[in-house]
Amino acid sequence: DAGVIQSPRHEVTEMGQEVTLRCKPISGHDYLFWYRQTMMRGLELLIYFNNNVPIDDSGMPEDRFSAKMPNASFSTLKIQPSEPRDSAVYFCASSHSGANVLTFGAGSRLTVL
Amino acid sequence: GQQVMQIPQYQHVQEGEDFTTYCNSSTTLSNIQWYKQRPGGHPVFLIQLVKSGEVKKQKRLTFQFGEAKKNSSLHITATQTTDVGTYFCAISNDYKLSFGAGTTVTVRA
Repeated sequence: DAGVIQSPRHEVTEMGQEVTLRCKPISGHDYLFWYRQTMMRGLELLIYFNNNVPIDDSGMPEDRFSAKMPNASFSTLKIQPSEPRDSAVYFCASSHSGANVLTFGAGSRLTVL
Repeated sequence: GQQVMQIPQYQHVQEGEDFTTYCNSSTTLSNIQWYKQRPGGHPVFLIQLVKSGEVKKQKRLTFQFGEAKKNSSLHITATQTTDVGTYFCAISNDYKLSFGAGTTVTVRA
């Protein structure tokens, strides 16, 4: 398995633009997580899905953030409109319910100017 | 929700020396996990501890879960430059993992 695949790896955009981050979890994993990492706040859980259904989105900062998982092999995290304070590394991770161990993707580094 | 505190935040180690990093919780934990993130990389799972007083070893790394299941430690012996990175402990609430702030390790050759 290629692991958790995230795209893009780097994104530079201007304030007000829409940003879409993508994730392909490991095949067979039924949990998918979106984390955000910054120096100030560390690794924060934004939202997680089980069997494509959002379970807990309490970490989503505000309505500008939305996440979807239309099928077991694909998820998106969208920010609209983006703001400079959204600059961070966004990680997608997946796990199997039997193990509860996360496998992280390489991350998407977002810079909002 | 549950939170963990990691100390120290930074650890500067001479190559060849030993060091220990700690993860502390105010509540009893069902289990604890440790992850390592290399500079510019992503967190990678190292180990999970479940039982009170459990000790697990991975080569030069020794992980321990406290008797009261409220703290954990990671001890690295004979530190090498490959040990550079940030070590996170993480606790779970159902399938939701919350990470500590991490201990960032640098090594002086």
